[in-house]
Amino acid sequence: GAVVSQHPSRVICKSGTSVKIECRSLDFQATTMFWYRQFPKQSLMLMATSNEGSKATYEQGVEKDKFLINHASLTLSTLTVTSAHPEDSSFYICSAVRQGYTEAFFGQGTRLTVV
Amino acid sequence: RKEVEQDPGPFNVPEGATVAFNCTYSNSASQSFFWYRQDCRKEPKLLMSVYSSGNEDGRFTAQLNRASQYISLLIRDSKLSDSATYLCLNYGGSQGNLIFGKGTKLSVKP
Repeated sequence: GAVVSQHPSRVICKSGTSVKIECRSLDFQATTMFWYRQFPKQSLMLMATSNEGSKATYEQGVEKDKFLINHASLTLSTLTVTSAHPEDSSFYICSAVRQGYTEAFFGQGTRLTVV
Repeated sequence: RKEVEQDPGPFNVPEGATVAFNCTYSNSASQSFFWYRQDCRKEPKLLMSVYSSGNEDGRFTAQLNRASQYISLLIRDSKLSDSATYLCLNYGGSQGNLIFGKGTKLSVKP
């Protein structure tokens, strides 16, 4: 089956630093990838939609300058949390839709802790 | 109206019970629907797709009602291991996004 690999699975960083999260579709091409954030005991919230070769579309309330998304190829999208603060601590999950299909495949998630 | 809405629960049911969740959606042009299961601190896993004709997989039955714009998930003979949060996913929202409902928490008790 289709596999999406997300890395790192867990990261702890100091306040003010930047963190990059990678999302790779291992055995399929993903024209669209989605980034979600989930705070404890809350639901998954869509942050942005990433299309290969074009700028990401951000949901209302998500700062595009803080959450930099790059979708350079059909198999890789990255999310960079810039100047991270403790309130950015959350569970970040990417999802990829296989070209020609509608099922979404999820990465394993990245638990970010900013101290 | 929010694009995808679910009753957050929690639904507390005894083992062996039958439980049903609904998920309403606002975009009548939505293409595809899915039920996902999310365990605590894990990523969502696909439970089943929801077809127009309805589909069944063992103890799980999913149905789509386009006229009333909702999908449902029925779980029969609940097991302790069914305890999780169940998310409905709508593909093809207003911007072609994947939109999750907030999830319905199910807790199956002995």
